[in-house]
Amino acid sequence: ETGVTQTPRHLVMGMTNKKSLKCEQHLGHNAMYWYKQSAKKPLELMFVYNFKEQTENNSVPSRFSPECPNSSHLFLHLHTLQPEDSALYLCASSQEAGQGVYEQYFGPGTRLTVT
Amino acid sequence: AQSVAQPEDQVNVAEGNPLTVKCTYSVSGNPYLFWYVQYPNRGLQFLLKYITGDNLVKGSYGFEAEFNKSQTSFHLKKPSALVSDSALYFCAVSRSGTYKYIFGTGTRLKVLA
Repeated sequence: ETGVTQTPRHLVMGMTNKKSLKCEQHLGHNAMYWYKQSAKKPLELMFVYNFKEQTENNSVPSRFSPECPNSSHLFLHLHTLQPEDSALYLCASSQEAGQGVYEQYFGPGTRLTVT
Repeated sequence: AQSVAQPEDQVNVAEGNPLTVKCTYSVSGNPYLFWYVQYPNRGLQFLLKYITGDNLVKGSYGFEAEFNKSQTSFHLKKPSALVSDSALYFCAVSRSGTYKYIFGTGTRLKVLA
């Protein structure tokens, strides 16, 4: 799991706070992803970056704001979240996106609790 | 539209017995199929994938999966289960020209000693 790291591992925030999740990949990949994992639901793709360009925003509310300064780093900025946003947020990377053939490598996730 | 179904929330199997975790898919065009495993407090780990070629795909930790186009299935199998195989298993599908990987809801595998 050292290929993709995520910080923090756990985060508790109030609805009026602003926080950021960080993801870093050490695999030389060109695509990075944010997913939301909630119990008993499929993984929800949130954002995709391919060669630092955002290629997918899967109807995610604007209280989630991604940032990809380079191919190795990905951030998810959070503000005025709702309790239903509590979930495990997973970062992943792959060789590239758009071809569909490449497997993804996941970080351990950030467990977010919104109070 | 792409979709994946994992019809079983949980599968129980005795250690040493063969295991099967089921996955069916729906996609226009040729599918690319993946299996991942998730252990507690960890991210998903890639097990194997089918892109093209031989319908039987071998992956990590002794797992294999068979692509069946007529039944639109991609079931995960292992000849002899280990207690350490107990985890949450996800099937995923994509296709050429898409940025999206669609995941199933997951199947919890419990291997009993």
